[in-house]
Amino acid sequence: EIVMTQSPATLSVSPGERATLSCRASQSVSSNLAWYQQKPGQAPRLLIYGASTRATGVPARFSGSGSGTEFTLTISSLQSEDFAVYYCQQYNNWPPLTFGGGTKVEIK
Amino acid sequence: EVQLVESGGGLVQPGGSLRLSCAASGFTFSSYEMNWVRQAPGKGLEWVSYISSSYSTIYYADSVKGRFTISRDNAKNSLYLQMNNLRAEDTAVYYCARIPIVGGYFDYWGQGTLVTVSS
Repeated sequence: EIVMTQSPATLSVSPGERATLSCRASQSVSSNLAWYQQKPGQAPRLLIYGASTRATGVPARFSGSGSGTEFTLTISSLQSEDFAVYYCQQYNNWPPLTFGGGTKVEIK
Repeated sequence: EVQLVESGGGLVQPGGSLRLSCAASGFTFSSYEMNWVRQAPGKGLEWVSYISSSYSTIYYADSVKGRFTISRDNAKNSLYLQMNNLRAEDTAVYYCARIPIVGGYFDYWGQGTLVTVSS
């Protein structure tokens, strides 16, 4: 099973600042990595797939990068609606499909 | 518009059973692979089960293997999860989620249904 590790667990950022979230895989997942955003009481929403491709309707301030075992989600200028929990997920080697533990982006 | 609507959650005693349903609309259900993903209160996401578009391939997480059964009815545009021998650790919001034609990620999610296992 591929273990996904996200850091930090919590990120405190001021509106308008850049946020950088990390995701590490226990073995290479190539570019088969997705990112999701989840707000309280809501289902997760797909942001990024293929490590760097934005899903339909996702603002350009969200960008993904990386391959192999190291990945980054960058939010270039945080808006109020971006404060949420973010999860990465690998789909290179499954079952099982595995998620990271999440990074909570909170208002500083 | 793609819609996934789960139902069937509720309170059940340990050792009991429950059947979840997911009604799909807005897309050709029979062409897509479907999954169940759960989230325990205050915790992260855990993939539970997968079924291929043609029913031919099914996978389960080790944590539910032998207790849960995934199925689908393409004529009714519906996905199901039969959960038997439920445990307290199965308490979670259960989401149905679609995998796109190419990929193993989840492009659409339902709103979830809460399953609580408690005496």
